Amino acid sequence: EVQLVQSGAEVKEPGESLKISCKGSGYSFTRFWIGWVRQMPGKGLEWMGVIYPADSDTRYCPSFQDQVTISADKSTNTAYLQWTSLKASDTAMYYCARTYSYGSGSYGYWGQGTQVTVSS
Amino acid sequence: EIVMTQSPPTLSVSPGEGATLSCRASQSVSSNLAWYQQKPGQGPRLLIYGASTRAPGIPARFSASGSGTEFTLTISSLQSEDFAVFYCQQYNNWPQTFGQGTKVEIK
Repeated sequence: EVQLVQSGAEVKEPGESLKISCKGSGYSFTRFWIGWVRQMPGKGLEWMGVIYPADSDTRYCPSFQDQVTISADKSTNTAYLQWTSLKASDTAMYYCARTYSYGSGSYGYWGQGTQVTVSS
Repeated sequence: EIVMTQSPPTLSVSPGEGATLSCRASQSVSSNLAWYQQKPGQGPRLLIYGASTRAPGIPARFSASGSGTEFTLTISSLQSEDFAVFYCQQYNNWPQTFGQGTKVEIK
């Protein structure tokens, strides 16, 4: 069974750094893209970027390009999303998602979401 | 960046009635389009990929069509569990983009 398990909720202050994780299991981790999606409170889905764990090929949405870093560790089947300096506007739910099938960009498997709250 | 525009923003439908949701792309995305359903407090669920193929386990009352720039998701005979927000997503070009969503609510 394909599973994506995300790290727990985080409460941080502005300016702090953060790295959240998404651990995949039940499939060959390196063969499928993993994307990150932001959902701000009461708002829609925003595609942030995606990584192909086999070679760490990473694509970003320009809106997030200089704001976050996406990475993956093949040895632990884990993808990461990190910030070096959080802002209050980063408060949101963050989902990781795996592409449904090889060659498809649709996301058939989703993590449970990680709530990030940034407040002083 | 391809802009995905969904309409209407909100659709009020009585249980048992049908609903038609639209998604328009600012440029052609071929058939590289997906539809998702999101219920309150839950993550998105893939309904449709390749513009018209139902994902496993998705009831036949969900159907979709379109290619290029115009796409439609149709829900025949809405059940209580179908009321949610629906998003389209294009994955033809980087960056991938989502529409802003259509909320299907009980009339």
